[in-house]
Amino acid sequence: EVQVVQSGAEVKKPGESLRISCKASGYKFTNYWIGWVRQMPGKALEWMGIIYPGDSDTRYSPSFQGQVTFSVDQSITTAYLQWNSLKASDTAIYYCARQMSFTGSYGYFDYWGQGTLVTVSS
Amino acid sequence: DIVLAQSPGTLSLSPGERATLSCRASQSVSSAYLAWYQQKPGQAPRLLIYGASNRATGIPDRFSGSGSGTDFTLTISRLESEDFAVYYCQQYGGSPRTFGQGTKVEIK
Repeated sequence: EVQVVQSGAEVKKPGESLRISCKASGYKFTNYWIGWVRQMPGKALEWMGIIYPGDSDTRYSPSFQGQVTFSVDQSITTAYLQWNSLKASDTAIYYCARQMSFTGSYGYFDYWGQGTLVTVSS
Repeated sequence: DIVLAQSPGTLSLSPGERATLSCRASQSVSSAYLAWYQQKPGQAPRLLIYGASNRATGIPDRFSGSGSGTDFTLTISRLESEDFAVYYCQQYGGSPRTFGQGTKVEIK
């Protein structure tokens, strides 16, 4: 059974760093892209980008390029989303999801994590 | 970027009625790389439709998707109580991938 389980809620201050995790199981981790999606309070879903655990190839949305970093640890089938300096505007729920792909890096999200709420407040 | 405009913003219907949700793209979506997701309050999104018209595993057949090019539709043939939620379309044929702003289906 495919499962995607995210780390718990975080409360941080502006300027702090943060890494949240996404643990995948039930399938071959290195064969599927993992994506990240932001949902600000009361707002729509936003596609942040994807990472391929097989070789750490990444595709960032221009809106998030340089603002966040994706990484993976193959040994523990876990993907990460990292910020070096948080801002209040980073307050949101962040979802990771497995991407089903038929052509290169293009695909849809078939299994989603439960979401990680990140709150940034002084 | 491909902008997806969903309409209406809110759809007020009764159980048993038919729901028709629209997703219009600012440019053609290649190979019908268009997905629909359902999101209920406090929950993660759930995949309903991929490739514009293919139901995901376990999705009831009252959900159907259609369309090509720039115009796509999600139809729920007869609304059940568990179908009242927010629905998002997503294109995955262009870079960056993008989501629509969502359509809320609420109980009338």
